Amino acid sequence: EAGVTQFPSHSVIEKGQTVTLRCDPISGHDNLYWYRRVMGKEIKFLLHFVKESKQDESGMPNNRFLAERTGGTYSTLKVQPAELEDSGVYFCASSQVERTDTQYFGPGTRLTVL
Amino acid sequence: LAKTTQPISMDSYEGQEVNITCSHNNIATNDYITWYQQFPSQGPRFIIQGYKTKVTNEVASLFIPADRKSSTLSLPRVSLSDTAVYYCLVGDNNNDMRFGAGTRLTVKP
Repeated sequence: EAGVTQFPSHSVIEKGQTVTLRCDPISGHDNLYWYRRVMGKEIKFLLHFVKESKQDESGMPNNRFLAERTGGTYSTLKVQPAELEDSGVYFCASSQVERTDTQYFGPGTRLTVL
Repeated sequence: LAKTTQPISMDSYEGQEVNITCSHNNIATNDYITWYQQFPSQGPRFIIQGYKTKVTNEVASLFIPADRKSSTLSLPRVSLSDTAVYYCLVGDNNNDMRFGAGTRLTVKP
C-alpha cells in the first residue's frame, strides 16, 4: 500500500513569490492534515480536512495560506505571497475516518524562502 | 531515507514505566532520532531528541545503542494523560524527517 506522498520534496523561492505544495493521502483516508515544522523541533497544526470540507483551520497563520482539497482526494497548500518566516518543513498526514488518532505522515516538503 | 518500525500499540497501567522501541536499521551518519507525542486533533508535540547513548529530560529518557539501529523511548511512571500516539522520527534538519506509523499507548487506571 502506498503511503502519504508530498510534492515537491524541496522548494526554494524568493520572498513575494507563490508556492503550491501538494499532498496525496493514503487511498480511502478521509482525514487529511497539514502541519508545519519551523525553527526548532515543534510541529504546528495548520488545518484538518474531512473529505473536501475544512473541519478545523484554526492553525492557519494568516490569509496568505490557502488550502484546498477538491474532490476529497489530494490537497494543495498555497502560500501567496511567501514571506521569510514561512520557511520550514510542511508535513501532510492522513487517517481513516474511524481512526483519527493514528495518522500516517508524508515525508514533508522543505520550503525555503529567500 | 531511514525507515522506522514501531509497535502498533501498547497497553500499560498508571505508575508503570513504559518503553517503546523503534527500529531504524539504515539510519544515516547525520541522522538524529526524535520522538513526538500526539493527542487526537492536535499536532505532534516534541518529546526528546538524541544522536547516541542516553538522553534524559524532564519528560522522558531516550536510549540509543552504539550501532544506532534502534532507539527506546522510556516514560517513567505513566499517567492516564500519557495516553497518546508516539512517533519515532529519523532524519536531520537538511533531509526529510521520516515518521514511523506511530505507537498507540493506552494507559489504564
